[in-house]
Amino acid sequence: KQEVTQIPAALSVPEGENLVLNCSFTDSAIYNLQWFRQDPGKGLTSLLLIQSSQREQTSGRLNASLDKSSGRSTLYIAASQPGDSATYLCAVFYAGKSTFGDGTTLTVKP
Amino acid sequence: EAQVTQNPRYLITVTGKKLTVTCSQNMNHEYMSWYRQDPGLGLRQIYYSMNVEVTDKGDVPEGYKVSRKEKRNFPLILESPSPNQTSLYFCASSLFGGGASSSYNEQFFGPGTRLTVL
Repeated sequence: KQEVTQIPAALSVPEGENLVLNCSFTDSAIYNLQWFRQDPGKGLTSLLLIQSSQREQTSGRLNASLDKSSGRSTLYIAASQPGDSATYLCAVFYAGKSTFGDGTTLTVKP
Repeated sequence: EAQVTQNPRYLITVTGKKLTVTCSQNMNHEYMSWYRQDPGLGLRQIYYSMNVEVTDKGDVPEGYKVSRKEKRNFPLILESPSPNQTSLYFCASSLFGGGASSSYNEQFFGPGTRLTVL
């Protein structure tokens, strides 16, 4: 059974810092990995999707990498801002099934 | 506007009273899925549908039913709700759910339905 782990569970950084969030999964048979952002009590917003054949994807200050063979993905956030404060979730997808990590709660202090 | 909508957004009900949470998408997506989110347990998949009339169980299907009679709608049915089904429910859709790695598997989520069963 696929398991997804996110480390750290919580992270607090000063504004402007670059940071890395980690996601690991146990079964490398995936179609893709997707990173989401969730604000308290709100829905999930898709940030980046990396197909299993890709190594990385970039969107603005966000860069996500994927190493399928080792079961790891990282989300790099450059020049963090207070508005980046949220919970970040990763999910792997295969043949209709999605498995989510528990998330990393990020706080960016002004 | 391309979106996934859920209704109701908030619902308080009592044990055993049948309820339906609706989910609709206007993006002509083939794949739809239901999730529940609970503190300490994260997001877990309940059911998914690859296309019309094709549904399958996720990780936590017990106590739930679904149907997919038309492409845009994927209702979640709780025939006899119990307090352990109190949760935040999300519906999601993507263009496709099968096949090989593809950007068409990107999932888009609805705003959520907060359900309380007393």
